[in-house]
Amino acid sequence: GENVEQHPSTLSVQEGDSAVIKCTYSDSASNYFPWYKQELGKRPQLIIDIRSNVGEKKDQRIAVTLNKTAKHFSLHITETQPEDSAVYFCAAAQGGKLIFGQGTELSVKP
Amino acid sequence: SQTIHQWPATLVQPVGSPLSLECTVEGTSNPNLYWYRQAAGRGLQLLFYSVGIGQISSEVPQNLSASRPQDRQFILSSKKLLLSDSGFYLCAWSRTRGAFFGQGTRLTVV
Repeated sequence: GENVEQHPSTLSVQEGDSAVIKCTYSDSASNYFPWYKQELGKRPQLIIDIRSNVGEKKDQRIAVTLNKTAKHFSLHITETQPEDSAVYFCAAAQGGKLIFGQGTELSVKP
Repeated sequence: SQTIHQWPATLVQPVGSPLSLECTVEGTSNPNLYWYRQAAGRGLQLLFYSVGIGQISSEVPQNLSASRPQDRQFILSSKKLLLSDSGFYLCAWSRTRGAFFGQGTRLTVV
């Protein structure tokens, strides 16, 4: 079945710097890749997603890239702010099944 | 708009007792439904998912079971809880984009 690996597990950046989180997936049939942000004590929230027929998608300060050949996708956050501090999850989906990576704890220091 | 209700928010149960967690979705029809468990250390482990009434896929063999008696209702059950069943249980639904989570149930087995 599908396996999603996410790196790094923790990431600390200075406010204003960029942050990059990378994920790889194993099942080439996966065709949808959402990203989630989970603040402490809250439920995960969808922040951006990309489908397999698109290579890149951007929404203000966040962007996601997908390399289907290499089976990896990445989240890019520019101009980071303290409120970006949270745990971020990538996921891969196909046929209704949605598998998550292990999460990255992002800390943005003022 | 769509909403998802999950209850209870917290639950303390003795070892060997039964469990029933309920999740309902409003504002959509024929959603995919999911149960995830998030143990300390933050990974989202897929337990069950359902693409339709009576269709349940189990991802992890364990003493939990799931049922979907109605289109927008998903129930997680156990006949006898183990200490290792403690964790944060999240119900989610999806249709065309990502998955949207309920508030979660924090289960402590004592």
